[in-house]
Amino acid sequence: DVKVTQSSRYLVKRTGEKVFLECVQDMDHENMFWYRQDPGLGLRLIYFSYDVKMKEKGDIPEGYSVSREKKERFSLILESASTNQTSVYLCASTGGFNEKLFFGSGTQLSVL
Amino acid sequence: AQSVTQPDIHITVSEGASLELRCNYSYGATPYLFWYVQSPGQGLQLLLKYFSGDTLVQGIKGFEAEFKRSQSSFNLRKPSVHWSDAAEYFCAVGPMDSSYKLIFGSGTRLLVRP
Repeated sequence: DVKVTQSSRYLVKRTGEKVFLECVQDMDHENMFWYRQDPGLGLRLIYFSYDVKMKEKGDIPEGYSVSREKKERFSLILESASTNQTSVYLCASTGGFNEKLFFGSGTQLSVL
Repeated sequence: AQSVTQPDIHITVSEGASLELRCNYSYGATPYLFWYVQSPGQGLQLLLKYFSGDTLVQGIKGFEAEFKRSQSSFNLRKPSVHWSDAAEYFCAVGPMDSSYKLIFGSGTRLLVRP
């Protein structure tokens, strides 16, 4: 079965810090995604990537950037963390647009 | 604007009772429709999806959903709930093209009484 692994389950950072969230998938999927999950808001797409070095903005890209140097790895970067970026971050991957998304277990990020 | 509405934030049912979780969408064209489930501390897992054809879709774990175009709804059902079904359920819609921009509802948390 596909495995999507997020490097950290819990993170606590200070305002202004640069934060890296790492995601690795093991099924050679071309498409990878970063969502944030907030109570009452469901999941919102931050960025996605459909190939190495390719990226596209989702619905809420402000304050975030991404990096995809290798097919299996997709990183989310918070250049200067702020308290309103406290959230659960979910990484996902898929082999095709009409295929299901495989999700990681999520990273609970707290920015103090 | 495209949107997905799950009107019930929480639902509590007794084990063995039937379940229906509501999902309504607003979309300019016929969308792809999905239901995902998130168990505590886990990522989301696909329960079922609708692309075309039979409007009653069967999924995993005994779940089914019915697409009703006239009502813009895609409600999730299960005839007999098990305690292990306690989780959060998300409805999602996406375009019928190569875009990946799924729109998720805000979720419904299911509690199961013993």
